[in-house]
Amino acid sequence: ELKVEQNPLFLSMQEGKNYTIYCNYSTTSDRLYWYRQDPGKSLESLFVLLSNGAVKQEGRLMASLDTKARLSTLHITAAVHDLSATYFCAADFGNEKLTFGTGTRLTIIP
Amino acid sequence: DGGITQSPKYLFRKEGQNVTLSCEQNLNHDAMYWYRQDPGQGLRLIYYSQIVNDFQKGDIAEGYSVSREKKESFPLTVTSAQKNPTAFYLCASSIDRGNSNQPQHFGDGTRLSIL
Repeated sequence: ELKVEQNPLFLSMQEGKNYTIYCNYSTTSDRLYWYRQDPGKSLESLFVLLSNGAVKQEGRLMASLDTKARLSTLHITAAVHDLSATYFCAADFGNEKLTFGTGTRLTIIP
Repeated sequence: DGGITQSPKYLFRKEGQNVTLSCEQNLNHDAMYWYRQDPGQGLRLIYYSQIVNDFQKGDIAEGYSVSREKKESFPLTVTSAQKNPTAFYLCASSIDRGNSNQPQHFGDGTRLSIL
């Protein structure tokens, strides 16, 4: 079965702290994507990870991919309130479509 | 500006009624997708299309139908056979499903409720 699992599902963080969201997937994936969704809004693309060891950074967010472990991580550094959102990872298993994780709802507390 | 336009933003369906959600893109993308999102849940794929006049069922196609007569347009009809249609519907597009490294781009969504 093609599955993508994220953890944690819910995360409350204090401003200024660091934390990591994990995305595990069930079989070989060519590409791994991270998206952000604000409440009631659509999905915004954050990162595309294409190969083992890939690392991408944008501001306080950094994503990495370990294809051998079938694991991607989204690391948040010195969190700020603006980062409060739901974050989704999605894997491309080569079957012409993306499989999405269930999302991690992140709340940054002042 | 290029993008994906979904309409309407809010839609209400009466019992036994079919309703159609519009999705138009001017990104010149070949592939288009329809997803359903229930509150607090992830995205589930309803239908997708790689090229004009061709489409495939996703994971939850029952009670839905689509057409792809033009590259720019991929309307979704929620039929009366879909007994629990209340959800947030998202349309997306991507360049293609070949060797592209580009992500899917999403519209702003349509929120469908039952009257």
